Amino acid sequence: NAGVTQTPKFRVLKTGQSMTLLCAQDMNHEYMYWYRQDPGMGLRLIHYSVGEGTTAKGEVPDGYNVSRLKKQNFLLGLESAAPSQTSVYFCASSRLAGDNEQYFGPGTRLTVT
Amino acid sequence: GNSVTQMEGPVTLSEEAFLTINCTYTATGYPSLFWYVQYPGEGLQLLLKATKADDKGSNKGFEATYRKETTSFHLEKGSVQVSDSAVYFCALSDIAGNTPLVFGKGTRLSVIA
Repeated sequence: NAGVTQTPKFRVLKTGQSMTLLCAQDMNHEYMYWYRQDPGMGLRLIHYSVGEGTTAKGEVPDGYNVSRLKKQNFLLGLESAAPSQTSVYFCASSRLAGDNEQYFGPGTRLTVT
Repeated sequence: GNSVTQMEGPVTLSEEAFLTINCTYTATGYPSLFWYVQYPGEGLQLLLKATKADDKGSNKGFEATYRKETTSFHLEKGSVQVSDSAVYFCALSDIAGNTPLVFGKGTRLSVIA
């Protein structure tokens, strides 16, 4: 099992450009999550999904959109990137039942200039 | 709502020193509790967990006991190594397990030889 994978690993954007981050999991997990991590801020939840075709807002959803068209994939989109979105983005997944232990991807480092 | 408070870092210890990282929580009912570890340049990975009161989670020499009476889940290790240098996150899951984990802000540990 590859677990949770993220594409790309690094990206540099100019202000106003758009991009999509891809998260894929091969554990048949129902739940998937997108976080951002900034120095001194810990993890902040952007959006999450409780199943294929569903999405919900987290703590800091503004400026991001998400889609969960397939159970194994969760896409995070930035329509018009801003320097404030410079961050490390982590995807995670978890089972529907049980204690909700989350499995994390390796992260995507995004810089917006 | 649910919340997690963990001691602020950074924490700097000499090799073979005793480690304690405090974590307290606020939640309704009896949540599951987790410690995650993030090594430099990587995603978070589960270190240990406990799903009910008085349970002790342990892994890699680390331990934490779920204390209902003090709503705490402190992380301990008897003798730290340089390789334990990382950021440690305490987290909780509500009893239904159907909402995202709630994370503390993380504690950075540096172990010097």
